[in-house]
Amino acid sequence: NAGVTQTPKFQVLKTGQSMTLQCAQDMNHNSMYWYRQDPGMGLRLIYYSASEGTTDKGEVPNGYNVSRLNKREFSLRLESAAPSQTSVYFCASSLGTSGGSDTQYFGPGTRLTVL
Amino acid sequence: AQSVAQPEDQVNVAEGNPLTVKCTYSVSGNPYLFWYVQYPNRGLQFLLKYITGDNLVKGSYGFEAEFNKSQTSFHLKKPSALVSDSALYFCAVRDGGFKTIFGAGTRLFVKA
Repeated sequence: NAGVTQTPKFQVLKTGQSMTLQCAQDMNHNSMYWYRQDPGMGLRLIYYSASEGTTDKGEVPNGYNVSRLNKREFSLRLESAAPSQTSVYFCASSLGTSGGSDTQYFGPGTRLTVL
Repeated sequence: AQSVAQPEDQVNVAEGNPLTVKCTYSVSGNPYLFWYVQYPNRGLQFLLKYITGDNLVKGSYGFEAEFNKSQTSFHLKKPSALVSDSALYFCAVRDGGFKTIFGAGTRLFVKA
């Protein structure tokens, strides 16, 4: 049982390049999330998916797109990377379909640098 | 709008002493409150949460937190700190939906 896995662990991009961050969970969870973590700011929600086939914007969605490929996988795409997107990205999952008191389980993170 | 404040960037405590990491929140409606811990180069790990009921919540690794509705606080506590407790601690709040607001984090240093 690997929990939440993310690939890649590290990535360096040039401004304007695109890339996709991959996330998978093996806990049969319904909801999945993408966060970014910046120094002194805690985690901020980018997008979430309450169930397979649905996605919704979080607090900071601009410049990102997501795909809930199936129940296990939730990817985050940067179409044209900008230096402001330099951050550590975390994927998370939770069991329920309504948020609330659900506990989130986090992956190990992807450290992205945009030059 | 929801918000979370962790007023201390850093907390220093000697091993064996009690520790407190502070958190205050603002949310409309009934809050769901969480504490997570992050070790270097790792993802966040769940410690405990408050849903309803007993104001004292017990969690993993000997941690507990006290919910105080009148003071809108949810402080994390441990009776006897260990060096291995040194990490970054995050308080988080939800008002019932999916959007979780995290505090900026408090770095805990436990000195041997």
